[in-house]
Amino acid sequence: GAGVSQSPRYKVAKRGQDVALRCDPISGHVSLFWYQQALGQGPEFLTYFQNEAQLDKSGLPSDRFFAERPEGSVSTLKIQRTQQEDSAVYLCASSLAGQGISPLHFGNGTRLTVT
Amino acid sequence: AQSVTQPDIHITVSEGASLELRCNYSYGATPYLFWYVQSPGQGLQLLLKYFSGDTLVQGIKGFEAEFKRSQSSFNLRKPSVHWSDAAEYFCAVAFNAGKSTFGDGTTLTVKP
Repeated sequence: GAGVSQSPRYKVAKRGQDVALRCDPISGHVSLFWYQQALGQGPEFLTYFQNEAQLDKSGLPSDRFFAERPEGSVSTLKIQRTQQEDSAVYLCASSLAGQGISPLHFGNGTRLTVT
Repeated sequence: AQSVTQPDIHITVSEGASLELRCNYSYGATPYLFWYVQSPGQGLQLLLKYFSGDTLVQGIKGFEAEFKRSQSSFNLRKPSVHWSDAAEYFCAVAFNAGKSTFGDGTTLTVKP
């Protein structure tokens, strides 16, 4: 179908609240990536799935961050006990194969503001 | 550590003028190289990519980039800029099927 879809588009959370960000990749795309983009910076890698397997989570900044893709399609990024430094745009991207073989298709992101 | 440097934070060019955006990377081997463009409130869109072969690659919207191994550079060029090219541009590298590393971006302003 259409491109990568992310929801919600905007999320405001009070410090200490839990949030869940959803990503619907392009149908048939094997790989799914989460990136965090702070204001004025480039995207920073968080985690990577190939189908349902989480192959790399080295970029997750703390154990408050958790991502899953249980059926190899939709993915959820969960942030527990949000802190102000978590405020950023969270980008999801998918690709037919791995990034080194086929390029990333990005969603429009979820802008998270922690107050 | 792997790194991507985009030395120019902000560039302003006149419409119709040529454009070159710089990108340098620091890696042990030749990575896969990409340029993405991001308009305000949007995700990133791929402009072009280099995997191997011809070091001059053509992309969408009239953009091209040249890979220079000796300089570890992958500069983006366009012969004649249009007002609609105003956006933020990101260079990225990847070594394998996993993560990409992005530069901090260059914001392009186009003067009428």
